[in-house]
Amino acid sequence: EAGVVQSPRYKIIEKKQPVAFWCNPISGHNTLYWYLQNLGQGPELLIRYENEEAVDDSQLPKDRFSAERLKGVDSTLKIQPAELGDSAVYLCASSTQGATYNEQFFGPGTRLTVL
Amino acid sequence: AQSVTQLDSQVPVFEEAPVELRCNYSSSVSVYLFWYVQYPNQGLQLLLKYLSGSTLVKGINGFEAEFNKSQTSFHLRKPSVHISDTAEYFCAVTPASGGSYIPTFGRGTSLIVHP
Repeated sequence: EAGVVQSPRYKIIEKKQPVAFWCNPISGHNTLYWYLQNLGQGPELLIRYENEEAVDDSQLPKDRFSAERLKGVDSTLKIQPAELGDSAVYLCASSTQGATYNEQFFGPGTRLTVL
Repeated sequence: AQSVTQLDSQVPVFEEAPVELRCNYSSSVSVYLFWYVQYPNQGLQLLLKYLSGSTLVKGINGFEAEFNKSQTSFHLRKPSVHISDTAEYFCAVTPASGGSYIPTFGRGTSLIVHP
């Protein structure tokens, strides 16, 4: 079974440019997460989806970041415009849905460099 | 809110030697505890988890961890490391109830295994 797929794996852009990251979760996983991982840090949640609904986006900087999961499957995270401080790894994860704990499975991440 | 402190940013060790990676947490509620491993340019992989029951938890790749509630610790151990264990290790905590189970990660410990 395929794991969580992310693309691109690496992206280099100039500051003030837009950028988008794509994530395809494991088949059947209704819950999708986007995390930000700064260098030398652990991941921090940006947004969580249950199917197509964003149920936790309190940590998403909404002035420049946006995300969508229109059909409740794959998802796109966008930054417009990018700033130097956005250089980081953006991780996507997915899990099954439920009231009890369900393991999150992580993708390989997209490493963004903003010049 | 929860927090995680990984006491060592870097742990160098020789191959076949034992290793312990330390993790302390803070929480006002009951928690679940996790260790993840991140190999270079890859996403996070769950090594082991404590949800309930025995405080000694065994995971993949020969790792184990012990939950110590009185000392609020969840140290990771392996009796004999291999070169292939060189990676970044993250301790994480999540509330044991509430439904979202979003992990709070530590800053990570870099395990460097020397031949």
